[in-house]
Amino acid sequence: DQQVKQNSPSLSVQEGRISILNCDYTNSMFDYFLWYKKYPAEGPTFLISISSIKDKNEDGRFTVFLNKSAKHLSLHIVPSQPGDSAVYFCAAFNTGNQFYFGTGTSLTVIP
Amino acid sequence: KAGVTQTPRYLIKTRGQQVTLSCSPISGHRSVSWYQQTPGQGLQFLFEYFSETQRNKGNFPGRFSGRQFSNSRSEMNVSTLELGDSALYLCASSLTRTGRNEQFFGPGTRLTVL
Repeated sequence: DQQVKQNSPSLSVQEGRISILNCDYTNSMFDYFLWYKKYPAEGPTFLISISSIKDKNEDGRFTVFLNKSAKHLSLHIVPSQPGDSAVYFCAAFNTGNQFYFGTGTSLTVIP
Repeated sequence: KAGVTQTPRYLIKTRGQQVTLSCSPISGHRSVSWYQQTPGQGLQFLFEYFSETQRNKGNFPGRFSGRQFSNSRSEMNVSTLELGDSALYLCASSLTRTGRNEQFFGPGTRLTVL
């Protein structure tokens, strides 16, 4: 039972343009959401997070948007750079419980 | 500060065998979580250990077990290996119980079951 879904396995974007990665979840009890970035042969690294009491969190080129009514979050990367090419995982957490990860979206930024 | 280390990095086993994977967390971190990553399934939570006690467990069969030592190092064991156990096994450490504390992942152990 996949409680966190990333329906786009891959995404290609031109350098300098916006990358939008999407994530949907089913459990309304999730109260904390994160994005991780993973390069080949390395473990995922934390990118940005958002609490369920907010609808937006920004950190440099990265912005995460949360739409609780739609149970949807998205990660915007502006402007996209070739070094952003990686697999991006969204994750959701329910306090006192465990992390649930999506299946990942492979982003390729074309120079 | 050294990151999370996992040994071995690669492992090949045959069906029916058992395997033990090791994870050394970042110094000072007391929580270790284990995840299985397979294509199409993403990261699936296996279990979390904190202060040598299993605090949380994912939906995996009893063939998957783990433990944590007093120095916070953790081992994960899989008995009676099946072909479907082939995956990347990741461990992550955090300062205290996972939650809003950031998890730091190791590079993973790639297990291939033949």
